[in-house]
Amino acid sequence: SQKIEQNSEALNIQEGKTATLTCNYTNYSPAYLQWYRQDPGRGPVFLLLIRENEKEKRKERLKVTFDTTLKQSLFHITASQPADSATYLCALDEGTGFQKLVFGTGTRLLVSP
Amino acid sequence: NAGVTQTPKFRVLKTGQSMTLLCAQDMNHEYMYWYRQDPGMGLRLIHYSVGEGTTAKGEVPDGYNVSRLKKQNFLLGLESAAPSQTSVYFCASSLTAGVETQYFGPGTRLLVL
Repeated sequence: SQKIEQNSEALNIQEGKTATLTCNYTNYSPAYLQWYRQDPGRGPVFLLLIRENEKEKRKERLKVTFDTTLKQSLFHITASQPADSATYLCALDEGTGFQKLVFGTGTRLLVSP
Repeated sequence: NAGVTQTPKFRVLKTGQSMTLLCAQDMNHEYMYWYRQDPGMGLRLIHYSVGEGTTAKGEVPDGYNVSRLKKQNFLLGLESAAPSQTSVYFCASSLTAGVETQYFGPGTRLLVL
């Protein structure tokens, strides 16, 4: 069966450290993968997109990697801040040719001062 | 630009009642989507639309109907609400097909008693 797995346990880190979140998938062949941030009581907000032919993408303190052999994406936040505390969702295209995303359940990140 | 807006923000229904959730976007996007988000399940696609007058089923369409009479609006209807439809509903839109960011609304929290 098709699955997207994100660590359901919250990730607790100290301010200034690098947070690394994992997204694993099985039985999909996505052309791209996206990461979203979701704050409590709000809708997801797009952060980064990485295509299957890209190994790494950066945006300010954020970095995403995409390994199609391992079927895994890693999402890094460097120099983390308490304001980075949120749930982070990965999403990949279903592969039907339309913009239909399949979302993981998300990982909650807590950055303590 | 308001982006994607949803009404109402919160609603309580009794089993068997009907209601319509309204989604509006002012970004001239072609694609619109309705998701539900439940604890431990992630975002699941209910229905989507690739343009005015067209709709299609997503992953969990049973018990819901949709209409896209105007490009900027996407309505989600529950004809006979059931407790299993208690959830948070998110509307999203994207510019076109292909590799595009989805923009989400703030969500509607629905409780069916």
